[in-house]
Amino acid sequence: GNSVTQMEGPVTLSEEAFLTINCTYTATGYPSLFWYVQYPGEGLQLLLKATKADDKGSNKGFEATYRKETTSFHLEKGSVQVSDSAVYFCALNDYKLSFGAGTTVTVRA
Amino acid sequence: DTEVTQTPKHLVMGMTNKKSLKCEQHMGHRAMYWYKQKAKKPPELMFVYSYEKLSINESVPSRFSPECPNSSLLNLHLHALQPEDSALYLCASSQDVGVGYEQYFGPGTRLTVT
Repeated sequence: GNSVTQMEGPVTLSEEAFLTINCTYTATGYPSLFWYVQYPGEGLQLLLKATKADDKGSNKGFEATYRKETTSFHLEKGSVQVSDSAVYFCALNDYKLSFGAGTTVTVRA
Repeated sequence: DTEVTQTPKHLVMGMTNKKSLKCEQHMGHRAMYWYKQKAKKPPELMFVYSYEKLSINESVPSRFSPECPNSSLLNLHLHALQPEDSALYLCASSQDVGVGYEQYFGPGTRLTVT
């Protein structure tokens, strides 16, 4: 079956630091890959997506590249802000969405 | 506009009550979903509607009863719930069901069963 594995959190960073959240997946077909973000007390927001190998998704300074050879979709941001504090979910869509466990990120001023 | 709305925002109900959660989207999406999310966990899929027909039920107990009155609306009827059903209930929609379609989530209804 399909599965997504994310790096364990929580992650605590200072403002302007570089953020990487590792995500790897197992899938039988050719899924689309997503990153969702959940701010405290809110629903999930789609952050970025990639639908095929070597696609790069980007939004709000975040980037992730669909790497078929390493079955990975790592999330990166070059300079984080306090407002980036949230829970980040990696997900794959192969007819149904399969989520990773989520990574809590806290950015300190 | 990528907005999915959900009402109510918060709901407290006793184990003998009957209540309903509502979800609405006006993006012309033909697939709608209910998820349950416990604290510090990812969302768990409950139901999928495609073109107003129930296409997936993830073995959800019958005390949860979904309904899709039209392509824009999705309800979740609740009856005789247990305290362990307390959670954030998320609605989502997508253009269609399938690999390339991203899902857009509403803000959720935080349900407490007493």
